[in-house]
Amino acid sequence: GAVVSQHPSRVICKSGTSVKIECRSLDFQATTMFWYRQFPKQSLMLMATSNEGSKATYEQGVEKDKFLINHASLTLSTLTVTSAHPEDSSFYICSARVKGNYEQYFGPGTRLTVT
Amino acid sequence: AQSVTQPDIHITVSEGASLELRCNYSYGATPYLFWYVQSPGQGLQLLLKYFSGDTLVQGIKGFEAEFKRSQSSFNLRKPSVHWSDAAEYFCAVGRARGGSYIPTFGRGTSLIVHP
Repeated sequence: GAVVSQHPSRVICKSGTSVKIECRSLDFQATTMFWYRQFPKQSLMLMATSNEGSKATYEQGVEKDKFLINHASLTLSTLTVTSAHPEDSSFYICSARVKGNYEQYFGPGTRLTVT
Repeated sequence: AQSVTQPDIHITVSEGASLELRCNYSYGATPYLFWYVQSPGQGLQLLLKYFSGDTLVQGIKGFEAEFKRSQSSFNLRKPSVHWSDAAEYFCAVGRARGGSYIPTFGRGTSLIVHP
């Protein structure tokens, strides 16, 4: 139980284009989802927290107009990287939690490469 | 601000040998402490956590960790390592937010297991 999937697992896009990453909770309803970014050989950095039906809360220094987060249902959250640039290349990881449960369940991550 | 230090980037052990991964944290209050494991292609998996109570915490896969407030440490141990334990290990300290916690991760320690 408590499986979180991400799609795609890898994506390559050209500079200036937008790319959408999906995060799904497969066997539970996720009232809150989190998006992280991981640089090579570095730790995960929280980008934003999203609650179903509400606007996402972004961490300091994260551009909300560049990283659009939508949590339209209890099983799906999307991260759209708009007008991507090579410096946006990274590993993006989502996690989800159930209301009343502190634990976060992590997805396998999406490797984004912007050329 | 909270922070986590994992001083070892890589640790190499022989299969069957004991393991200790170091983690030091900085946090103003009583910390929530976690250890996660990240295997290629898989999401972060929670190994164990400390919130309060007994300072020696047992986790999954035979791992344990000991919270030492005086040393601000939460080292992960395993008495006998298996080849399947080769992975990236992350220590994290969490701050409470909205019924969950927001983890601050260390940069990770890569565990290499020799046969």
